[in-house]
Amino acid sequence: NAGVTQTPKFRILKIGQSMTLQCTQDMNHNYMYWYRQDPGMGLKLIYYSVGAGITDKGEVPNGYNVSRSTTEDFPLRLELAAPSQTSVYFCASSYYRTSGNEQFFGPGTRLTVL
Amino acid sequence: GQQVMQIPQYQHVQEGEDFTTYCNSSTTLSNIQWYKQRPGGHPVFLIQLVKSGEVKKQKRLTFQFGEAKKNSSLHITATQTTDVGTYFCPWWKAYGGSQGNLIFGKGTKLSVKP
Repeated sequence: NAGVTQTPKFRILKIGQSMTLQCTQDMNHNYMYWYRQDPGMGLKLIYYSVGAGITDKGEVPNGYNVSRSTTEDFPLRLELAAPSQTSVYFCASSYYRTSGNEQFFGPGTRLTVL
Repeated sequence: GQQVMQIPQYQHVQEGEDFTTYCNSSTTLSNIQWYKQRPGGHPVFLIQLVKSGEVKKQKRLTFQFGEAKKNSSLHITATQTTDVGTYFCPWWKAYGGSQGNLIFGKGTKLSVKP
């Protein structure tokens, strides 16, 4: 199993550009998450999904959109990139979404907006 | 609302010294997880503690859950350079029923001088 994979690894965007961060998991997990991590900070939840076709906002959803058409894929869309979106983005998945359930993280996408 | 504070925020040790990080909650926790993130890497699940007073060991790492389930600690004996990274104790924020999300704080950043 590859686990959780993310592409691209690195990306530089200009202000106002758009891009999609890809995330795929091969563990047949229903639950998937997008986090962002700013330097020296913890992870903040952007969006999550409880299954194909069902998504919901996390702590910091503004400026982002998600979709979940399959169990495996959970792409994150940035429509109008802003410098405040410079961060490392992690996708994660879990078998359950209950207290005490382990989350599996992808390697991350390092995004810079100039 | 519930808060979990992790201390210290930074710790610098000489290789071979011991290291401890603490997580303290304002309210009772149902369980607590620990994750490690290496520099430039992604968070990796280490362990979950569920029972009051629970102690678990993984080689040189010892995890404890307090009797009142309001605090937890991670102790590393004789640190090695491979222990470098940030250690997180995310806590479960419940929204009702079994729904909720993991909340990651800033963690404790450990550096080890060879």
